[in-house]
Amino acid sequence: KAGVTQTPRYLIKTRGQQVTLSCSPISGHRSVSWYQQTPGQGLQFLFEYFSETQRNKGNFPGRFSGRQFSNSRSEMNVSTLELGDSALYLCASSSTSQGYNEKLFFGSGTQLSVL
Amino acid sequence: AQKVTQAQTEISVVEKEDVTLDCVYETRDTTYYLFWYKQPPSGELVFLIRRNSFDEQNEISGRYSWNFQKSTSSFNFTITASQVVDSAVYFCALSEERHMRFGAGTRLTVKP
Repeated sequence: KAGVTQTPRYLIKTRGQQVTLSCSPISGHRSVSWYQQTPGQGLQFLFEYFSETQRNKGNFPGRFSGRQFSNSRSEMNVSTLELGDSALYLCASSSTSQGYNEKLFFGSGTQLSVL
Repeated sequence: AQKVTQAQTEISVVEKEDVTLDCVYETRDTTYYLFWYKQPPSGELVFLIRRNSFDEQNEISGRYSWNFQKSTSSFNFTITASQVVDSAVYFCALSEERHMRFGAGTRLTVKP
């Protein structure tokens, strides 16, 4: 079974631009969560989707948004990029509707650099 | 607020030494789950263990063992006879409010 796939692996953008990151969960997994990892703040929860519905959202500004498609693939979008958005963005999938209590399978992440 | 504290930022050991990574948590929930994940240089977090709040039995898996003590709100992780391949960042996490709260992580370096 293929693991969680995130594309692209690396991304360089400039301030003010927008970016879309993609995540394909493990086949059969319907829960997808997104986390931001920075040296200063560590791993922080962004949002979680299950069956195309956002079920939970972390404490991030509205510039951060996401969606999930009927095949469980998910995208996250960051608009009006700021320097502080530079981070590793990790996607994780889970086989159950209670992904927060279950084992998460993570992708290798997208390293976003904002110049 | 719920919290996960990993006081050790970095640990360096020589191969074959035993090493314990500490994790202390705070929660008001009576039912909760604790996790340990490993993040190698490649970036993806790898699941190691999940423990629910009602199961205080210690667990051993090969060279890895976990000590869960509810009385001290700790969930410590020990690697016995460490190996260079154990070098990674290790995260302790607590499930809360439909997502996971991670500790800051402990970077373990095992030198040959």
